[in-house]
This record gives sequence, structure tokens and C-alpha cells, in this order.
Amino acid sequence: DAGVIQSPRHEVTEMGQEVTLRCKPISGHDYLFWYRQTMMRGLELLIYFNNNVPIDDSGMPEDRFSAKMPNASFSTLKIQPSEPRDSAVYFCASSPDRRINTEAFFGQGTRLTVV
Amino acid sequence: QKEVEQDPGPLSVPEGAIVSLNCTYSNSAFQYFMWYRQYSRKGPELLMYTYSSGNKEDGRFTAQVDKSSKYISLFIRDSQPSDSATYLCAMSAGRGSTLGRLYFGRGTQLTVWP
Repeated sequence: DAGVIQSPRHEVTEMGQEVTLRCKPISGHDYLFWYRQTMMRGLELLIYFNNNVPIDDSGMPEDRFSAKMPNASFSTLKIQPSEPRDSAVYFCASSPDRRINTEAFFGQGTRLTVV
Repeated sequence: QKEVEQDPGPLSVPEGAIVSLNCTYSNSAFQYFMWYRQYSRKGPELLMYTYSSGNKEDGRFTAQVDKSSKYISLFIRDSQPSDSATYLCAMSAGRGSTLGRLYFGRGTQLTVWP
């Protein structure tokens, strides 16, 4: 299996622009997570899905952030409008149900820079 | 206060040294305790996990959990330059409304020099 695939790997955008991050989870995994990592705050959970249904979005910083999972093999995280403080590495991760308490399989991340 | 606290370091040791990494936590509901390793420009990967209290050994790595003190540790014996990475602790309650949610420490950056 290719693992969790994220695109793009790097994104540089201007403040106010819309940004869309994409994720393909590992086939057969029931859970999908979006995390954000910064030096100051570490790894923060933004939202996660179970069988394509959002379960907990309490980590989404504000209404500018939205996430969707239209099917089991694809998810998006959208930021509109983007701000410089959104600059971070965004990770998508997935887990099978049997590993849900212990292991999340992470993608390579998308490094977002908002100027 | 964050639910999981971890000293970000950085920690720099010579090859062959014993490394001790630690985390503390506040939520007594946590039952699963994990250590993830993250190489530069990569996503975190699970190194090992422990359920409830006790020790677990895997090669040069030993994980310890002391639930009474809400304290977990990772020991690396005979450290190698290839161990240079950021180590993140993570925890989960494993049930109820937080099923599926992992709580991560900020990570400790480790460098092992030859």
C-alpha cells in the first residue's frame, strides 16, 4: 500500500486566498484525521471522520476552516480566506478500527505558507 | 494547561548514550500510551505503545508507564545517529466520546552525534 497520500506537498499563497489540501487515506481504514503542526503548539487535531462522517470538529480554529469527506478514499481541508497565522504543516492520517486507540498512519504533510 | 506535557528539548547526546524521554499528563482516563518518531520533513510514525501501566521493551527501546504519577518514559539504549528525530508521546482514553482521539505532546527533538 502507498500509505496516506497528501497533496500538494508545499503550498505558498497570499493572504486572503482560498487554500485546499487533499488527502487519500489508506484503503480500508475507517477513520481519517486532520492535524496541524507548528513549533509553538505542536501537533493539534483539527477534525476527524469515522466512515466519512465528521465525529469531532472541536479543533477547527474558526469558520474559515472546513473539511469534507465525500467518500472513503478522499478528504479535503479548505481554508478561506487564508491568513499568515495559518502557516503550518498540515497532516492527514488514517486508522483502521482495530488500531483506533493506538496508531494513526500519517501522510507526508502539506507545508503551507501564507504570505 | 495542555493535557499532555513534553519538554521540547533539544536534546543532544553522543552515540552509545542512554536517552530518557518523558511526558506527563493530567487526564486519568488515558489508558493507551504511545511513542511516535518523526524524522525531519516526514509524518510521525508509531514506535511502540503500552496499555495501562508497566513496561514494554522492543530492541533498544523501552517504554514505561506510571499511572499513579501520570508519567511516561521512553528509554533508548546504545543510541545511534539514526535515532536522531523528534519523539512525540501520545495518549488516548480509548472509549466514550473521545474514542479515536489521540492527544500528543509537543515532541522532543533528539540529536545523536557520532
